[in-house]
Amino acid sequence: QSVLTQPPSVSGAPGQRVTISCTGSSSNIGAGHDVHWYQQLPGIAPKVLIYGNRNRPSGVPDRVSGSKSDTSGTLAISGLQAEDEADYYCQSYDSSLSGWVFGGGTKLTVL
Amino acid sequence: QLQLQESGPGLVKPSETLSLTCTVSGGSISSSDYYWGWVRQPPGKGLEWIGSFYYSGSTYYKVSLKSRVTISADTSKNQVSLKLSSVTAADTAVYYCARHGGPSGYLPYYDMDVWGKGTTVTVSS
Repeated sequence: QSVLTQPPSVSGAPGQRVTISCTGSSSNIGAGHDVHWYQQLPGIAPKVLIYGNRNRPSGVPDRVSGSKSDTSGTLAISGLQAEDEADYYCQSYDSSLSGWVFGGGTKLTVL
Repeated sequence: QLQLQESGPGLVKPSETLSLTCTVSGGSISSSDYYWGWVRQPPGKGLEWIGSFYYSGSTYYKVSLKSRVTISADTSKNQVSLKLSSVTAADTAVYYCARHGGPSGYLPYYDMDVWGKGTTVTVSS
């Protein structure tokens, strides 16, 4: 059972927009801690896609965006491409646990 | 360019202690900005934070693993080590080390911005 809750899977056709939610609680996202998003391709270490709720590292296209509201964060990917097919994880910090927490991960399928 | 490299035995027997080392190059583990963490991923499952080390010597562990985990550092070698005792098949996973921010550091974000490639550990007799 992950501290942050994500849907197990989402899908979309090429060119469409998909969103992935990440629901936390008053001790993590709701406490003001940022949401970060990672993309993981098969057999490769995760890489940061969004940090600090809405910031993109250099090299991440602007069709990828993030937002945060209350106890949840959302990752949005528009103009879906085949290369976006991957696993996506959200992460935050939990004050009650004094530790870093992940969502269970969401598998994005491009139809 | 900062690089992290995990190393250690790929096979550990049940009830024994798993020992891994993360060697950091291109940066110092003595930086007050960063934490150095361990994350694992069982086959076909999600990411799980295990614990982290901060340059001051402070360590932070996932509550459910705290009784079995020890993270330490050797600043002379720029290495961070993980020891997990009394392992079972459930500890079979890819183990990653990662650099990240945290509450005692001076960075505004607590994301894990640099990762090692990971090392696979199988627990089996």
